[in-house]
Amino acid sequence: EAGVAQSPRYKIIEKRQSVAFWCNPISGHATLYWYQQILGQGPKLLIQFQNNGVVDDSQLPKDRFSAERLKGVDSTLKIQPAKLEDSAVYLCASSLVYRGAYEQYFGPGTRLTVT
Amino acid sequence: GENVEQHPSTLSVQEGDSAVIKCTYSDSASNYFPWYKQELGKRPQLIIDIRSNVGEKKDQRIAVTLNKTAKHFSLHITETQPEDSAVYFCAASSGGFQKLVFGTGTRLLVSP
Repeated sequence: EAGVAQSPRYKIIEKRQSVAFWCNPISGHATLYWYQQILGQGPKLLIQFQNNGVVDDSQLPKDRFSAERLKGVDSTLKIQPAKLEDSAVYLCASSLVYRGAYEQYFGPGTRLTVT
Repeated sequence: GENVEQHPSTLSVQEGDSAVIKCTYSDSASNYFPWYKQELGKRPQLIIDIRSNVGEKKDQRIAVTLNKTAKHFSLHITETQPEDSAVYFCAASSGGFQKLVFGTGTRLLVSP
């Protein structure tokens, strides 16, 4: 079974520039998550999709971050404009079911450095 | 919302010793508590989880205990090995959509 795929793996941009990350979840997984992991901290949920609908985006800084999941499969997360404090690893995860307790499978992450 | 605290932040043990990591949560409605292991530069991987209707779960050298009354849960690793060295995160699932709130992590170092 193929895992969660993410690209790019690394990205360096200057502040005020834009950046986009891509995620392809495990086939058949209806629930997709984007997490931000700042160095030395645990992952923080930014947004959660069920198919192509948003079920939680309460911690997404909507003035600069946006995400979409077209056709309920792949997803993109965008930051525009980036700030220095956005430097982090952005992790995508997917799971089979959203109600109840099912494992979330994480992708390798995209390490973003904002200079 | 849910808040998860994790202790200690770092833990050093000798190979063969036991290691215990503790977490507390604030939302009494949380019902799912996974533990993830993250090696340097790698993705988090689930190592064990427990649901609120169970008090203890064991998988070989790893066990998790849950005290719902006190709202805390712990990870126990016995007979530690150098390959157990990593950062361990606890998490609690809050609400009906399996939203995970993670602790701040414990860096475990197992010395040969």
